[in-house]
Amino acid sequence: GQQLNQSPQSMFIQEGEDVSMNCTSSSIFNTWLWYKQDPGEGPVLLIALYKAGELTSNGRLTAQFGITRKDSFLNISASIPSDVGIYFCAGQRGSGTYKYIFGTGTRLKVLA
Amino acid sequence: DGGITQSPKYLFRKEGQNVTLSCEQNLNHDAMYWYRQDPGQGLRLIYYSQIVNDFQKGDIAEGYSVSREKKESFPLTVTSAQKNPTAFYLCASSIDRLEAYTFGSGTRLTVV
Repeated sequence: GQQLNQSPQSMFIQEGEDVSMNCTSSSIFNTWLWYKQDPGEGPVLLIALYKAGELTSNGRLTAQFGITRKDSFLNISASIPSDVGIYFCAGQRGSGTYKYIFGTGTRLKVLA
Repeated sequence: DGGITQSPKYLFRKEGQNVTLSCEQNLNHDAMYWYRQDPGQGLRLIYYSQIVNDFQKGDIAEGYSVSREKKESFPLTVTSAQKNPTAFYLCASSIDRLEAYTFGSGTRLTVV
């Protein structure tokens, strides 16, 4: 099955630094979601995007729906140790089976 | 509070045995999903159901079976035909096929 490409695959950053990650697809999507998964737990929804060009924030997190509708971006400002985890993007075409397709994940580690 | 509950959290299976993973939601969601996650990897769709008494195969359905007799429940059976069942299993639900998924906290299955 198809999976979206996320980059980077993993990253180590210092506490206080800003983080950027992205998700790309060869297909156009109508909806983009960003999730965070803590170790041993299920993913939790962070941000949902429904319109090309949309920029949405949730605390220190900001996500954007790319204008080509084939990509999305997530930024975390002033990272803290509890930001550690795996970040997944998910996209849906809004047609066909309507299933969300998930990215391969970005594993974030924050060094105090 | 509404949510989605997976049980048990940890499950051990002997080779050749069938085991059933429970997934219950009280969110009044129509759609439910089962994903498999292997270490360091993304989410792969096993089965999904968009309405009671109907379900569809995902990308890796071989060796798995499901039922959807009630809106609230979507159990997954890992059969002896699944050759490599050790993984983290995630159940999710959504109000309809367009909306974001809510995930359970997962079941870690280990074959001993």
